[in-house]
Amino acid sequence: DTAVSQTPKYLVTQMGNDKSIKCEQNLGHDTMYWYKQDSKKFLKIMFSYNNKELIINETVPNRFSPKSPDKAHLNLHINSLELGDSAVYFCASSQDLGTTIYFGPGTRLTVL
Amino acid sequence: AQSVTQLGSHVSVSEGALVLLRCNYSSSVPPYLFWYVQYPNQGLQLLLKYTTGATLVKGINGFEAEFKKSETSFHLTKPSAHMSDAAEYFCAVTTHEGGGNKLTFGTGTQLKVEL
Repeated sequence: DTAVSQTPKYLVTQMGNDKSIKCEQNLGHDTMYWYKQDSKKFLKIMFSYNNKELIINETVPNRFSPKSPDKAHLNLHINSLELGDSAVYFCASSQDLGTTIYFGPGTRLTVL
Repeated sequence: AQSVTQLGSHVSVSEGALVLLRCNYSSSVPPYLFWYVQYPNQGLQLLLKYTTGATLVKGINGFEAEFKKSETSFHLTKPSAHMSDAAEYFCAVTTHEGGGNKLTFGTGTQLKVEL
């Protein structure tokens, strides 16, 4: 009965490759997010979607492209991976503003 | 714009001692405040949150926090630390500004519990 799930949990790849991370939530929430946690554990929002519509885009390089096929899914595609993209990426969801944001287990991306 | 400052990137306490993790926020509008905990190699779990109403908020695992508007603070406390409390703790804020639910995190506090 996992609330927010992500795949894969670990992703190791070479510079220049393209990769995707998938996210699904079974909470019936309208809003989904991608957060990035860097090596110093700092967490920063990247994107937010509400009912499949992009509502927050935090100056993320356009190599990162989120896609929401329906409100239960928010995938993250990354083109031309760079060393600096190495981080843990968390998917999350919430119902409304001010309500709890539920986080997935994270995907640890390592770019070699 | 909203921001969060967590004082002390590392806090060490003895088992059974009081835990106090400090969080100050900045917001031009009424904030919603959260504390999350992250255990090693895991996602974030909500400890507690303040939205409106009672300023003393109780959460899971015996933690509580008090919203003090005059001090722009939302410090996290637990009367008696347990070894299992060792983790990274994040304070976070969101507001109605600009639409969307944009959670802004502090830099985190690593809690160490010693015997």
